Amino acid sequence: DTAVSQTPKYLVTQMGNDKSIKCEQNLGHDTMYWYKQDSKKFLKIMFSYNNKELIINETVPNRFSPKSPDKAHLNLHINSLELGDSAVYFCASSHMPETQYFGPGTRLLVL
Amino acid sequence: GENVEQHPSTLSVQEGDSAVIKCTYSDSASNYFPWYKQELGKRPQLIIDIRSNVGEKKDQRIAVTLNKTDIHFSLHITETQPEDSAVYFCAASSYSGGYNKLIFGAGTRLAVHP
Repeated sequence: DTAVSQTPKYLVTQMGNDKSIKCEQNLGHDTMYWYKQDSKKFLKIMFSYNNKELIINETVPNRFSPKSPDKAHLNLHINSLELGDSAVYFCASSHMPETQYFGPGTRLLVL
Repeated sequence: GENVEQHPSTLSVQEGDSAVIKCTYSDSASNYFPWYKQELGKRPQLIIDIRSNVGEKKDQRIAVTLNKTDIHFSLHITETQPEDSAVYFCAASSYSGGYNKLIFGAGTRLAVHP
């Protein structure tokens, strides 16, 4: 019954690989987000979708491509993974522009 | 661009003492200010929030104050307990491209010692 869920929880992969992270929310929210939290714990927004439309696209390498098949799902695909992509990726959702609720995070380690 | 500065970066207190974390925001049009608590290995969770039409809000041992003139807001935790130990993030809303987004501070690592 988790409100915002993400899979996988852990992801260990080699440099150059392509990987995807999935996010789902059952709160009925219209807006979903991807955040990156680096080793220093800094939370940085990457993307946001409102009703399946991309509304926020920060300065993120184009190796990162979000996709929102419907309002309840937001996926993140990463091509050609690099060492610097290692971080925790959090999905979040809200009724724009209200309180954001975070998923449990996906810990990505690129070797 | 938009910025939120958070101080201190680390805070160590004795159990029962008070803890205060302060954030300064750059976008004077910001109107929503949430605070999140992140325990080790867990997700950030909202603990309290305040809107620009309110100067102070309290929830048990936690309170937040907003000073729009000086564009800063603060989190106050009274009677701290060891379970309050975590990283706390402030955030401020910022209107951009027709939509609001949250700009987070860098976080404060609070340690409460028994």
